[in-house]
Amino acid sequence: KAGVTQTPRYLIKTRGQQVTLSCSPISGHRSVSWYQQTPGQGLQFLFEYFSETQRNKGNFPGRFSGRQFSNSRSEMNVSTLELGDSALYLCASSPPSQVNEQFFGPGTRLTVL
Amino acid sequence: DQQVKQNSPSLSVQEGRISILNCDYTNSMFDYFLWYKKYPAEGPTFLISISSIKDKNEDGRFTVFLNKSAKHLSLHIVPSQPGDSAVYFCAANHGGSARQLTFGSGTQLTVLP
Repeated sequence: KAGVTQTPRYLIKTRGQQVTLSCSPISGHRSVSWYQQTPGQGLQFLFEYFSETQRNKGNFPGRFSGRQFSNSRSEMNVSTLELGDSALYLCASSPPSQVNEQFFGPGTRLTVL
Repeated sequence: DQQVKQNSPSLSVQEGRISILNCDYTNSMFDYFLWYKKYPAEGPTFLISISSIKDKNEDGRFTVFLNKSAKHLSLHIVPSQPGDSAVYFCAANHGGSARQLTFGSGTQLTVLP
């Protein structure tokens, strides 16, 4: 099975712009979660989607949003980018049965100038 | 507030010896714990997990111990190998699933040949 894929792998934006990141989960996985990793805050949960519905949300401002499509692919969007949004954004998928692990993609490295 | 803490940012161990990575948590609602390994420019890779109904789980060279009364868990790697050199993250959740994980800050393990 192919793993979790994320596109693009690297992105450079300027302050005030908006960005969309994409994640394709492992085939058959319907849950997709997003995490932000920064040197100062570590790995932090952004949100989780299941069957096109946001099921859980972390403590992030409304500039961070996401969605999930019927094929379980997910996108996250960050509007009005700030320098502090520079981070590695990780997507993870989980199988539909009793979950005992999440499978992570390689991440998208976002740099905001 | 850091609900999951890894107080040692780094650990160096000789090849063949035991590596012990520690993790403390404060949220008594957590009932599922995982360890992930992360190499630079890659997403975290699941290593091993443990439910709060157990106090030990083994998988090959990796053993996780859980002390609920102390809110402490540890990962033992025996014997340590140079390929184990990576950042190790402890993560926790409640509800017995691996979704919406709360991560520790990570410990950089270096195994010296």
